[in-house]
Amino acid sequence: KNEVEQSPQNLTAQEGEFITINCSYSVGISALHWLQQHPGGGIVSLFMLSSGKKKHGRLIATINIQEKHSSLHITASHPRDSAVYICAVSNFGNEKLTFGTGTRLTIIP
Amino acid sequence: DADVTQTPRNRITKTGKRIMLECSQTKGHDRMYWYRQDPGLGLRLIYYSFDVKDINKGEISDGYSVSRQAQAKFSLSLESAIPNQTALYFCATSDPTGGPSSYNEQFFGPGTRLTVL
Repeated sequence: KNEVEQSPQNLTAQEGEFITINCSYSVGISALHWLQQHPGGGIVSLFMLSSGKKKHGRLIATINIQEKHSSLHITASHPRDSAVYICAVSNFGNEKLTFGTGTRLTIIP
Repeated sequence: DADVTQTPRNRITKTGKRIMLECSQTKGHDRMYWYRQDPGLGLRLIYYSFDVKDINKGEISDGYSVSRQAQAKFSLSLESAIPNQTALYFCATSDPTGGPSSYNEQFFGPGTRLTVL
């Protein structure tokens, strides 16, 4: 069993819909990361969080440490949000990341 | 200009050839990483370096070697390429000195798509 599990693997939605991507992990962590991989391949960090909630524009990330679960939400989704969203975790005193396999999001106009 | 650059961006080579992938960064970070990405799998760590004199194996280091020529440069070599090394390769950097808000955040290069025939 992978240490980091994401769901769904693929998600297709209409423009404007509210999107939720889930991430569960099985080990103690110091931080959870959400990354976005564009169709061209580049990867950018969206959020790094260890508790609570963070918001940036239309993106919201939440984490529940007790349940070992995080969600990434996108409000008012847009075709430019189409990408692969990757969850990763890091451990205390160790900067190595363990990655989920990603969620491929497609937003249809 | 991009903070983390990788060369080449695409490479096609034949089995048995030696290949070097290069990574350069202008972020001034001490820590650098090489990952590979395969379809259906998460990014996996090949090697990482916490400073110029420190090199560590990741989870899939067999068949690879690295060189940290300077703080800004970290190269990955495939000594004798084989087809199952066909993948997308990413370099990343991080800075442990930025405090809790930046600790562990990694900054990725654009990737190198390697095909071994």
